[in-house]
Amino acid sequence: NAGVTQTPKFRILKIGQSMTLQCAQDMNHNYMYWYRQDPGMGLKLIYYSVGAGITDKGEVPNGYNVSRSTTEYFPLRLELAAPSQTSVYFCATLAGGAEAFFGQGTRLTVV
Amino acid sequence: RKEVEQDPGPFNVPEGATVAFNCTYSNSASQSFFWYRQDCRKEPKLLMSVYSSGNEDGRFTAQLNRASQYISLLIRDSKLSDSATYLCVVNNLLGTTGGGADGLTFGKGTHLIIQP
Repeated sequence: NAGVTQTPKFRILKIGQSMTLQCAQDMNHNYMYWYRQDPGMGLKLIYYSVGAGITDKGEVPNGYNVSRSTTEYFPLRLELAAPSQTSVYFCATLAGGAEAFFGQGTRLTVV
Repeated sequence: RKEVEQDPGPFNVPEGATVAFNCTYSNSASQSFFWYRQDCRKEPKLLMSVYSSGNEDGRFTAQLNRASQYISLLIRDSKLSDSATYLCVVNNLLGTTGGGADGLTFGKGTHLIIQP
């Protein structure tokens, strides 16, 4: 049982480049989240989804986009990468009021 | 007022000591409550759920006070391996956060360092 899988694990981008962070889950959970965590800081919500076809902004959505065409996948798109987007990105899923499951994270550096 | 507030620490305590963390939340419609643990450069993982009746798991005790909107975590006989960041997490009802995160809301975490 893979749970939540994030790819890639590491990436270095140049300023202005774009990329998509992938998140896949095999638990059939409706809720999915994207967080970023800067060094020594807490998790900040970027976008979330309560089900296929439904997404909404979190606390820090600027510079990012998401889509949720299926229950399984919730990719996060970075357009025009900036140094301020250097962070660790976590994808998580939630089933109702139960435990959240996190991917192992994607460490992104923008130079 | 922030949705979930925690003392960021760090808490430096000697091995074997008892340490307590507190957390307050602002949304009275919050449904369920958790403590997560996050090790350095790793993803958060569930430590325990929190119930109004209080619950215990080995050296860990969690308590919820809905009237005061307050959650606590007590760690007894602390071990070096307990060093980590402890995240207070609240699960909110849909449509009760005013456009924020329906579902999970994380506190910023409390950093614990157990010293030998």
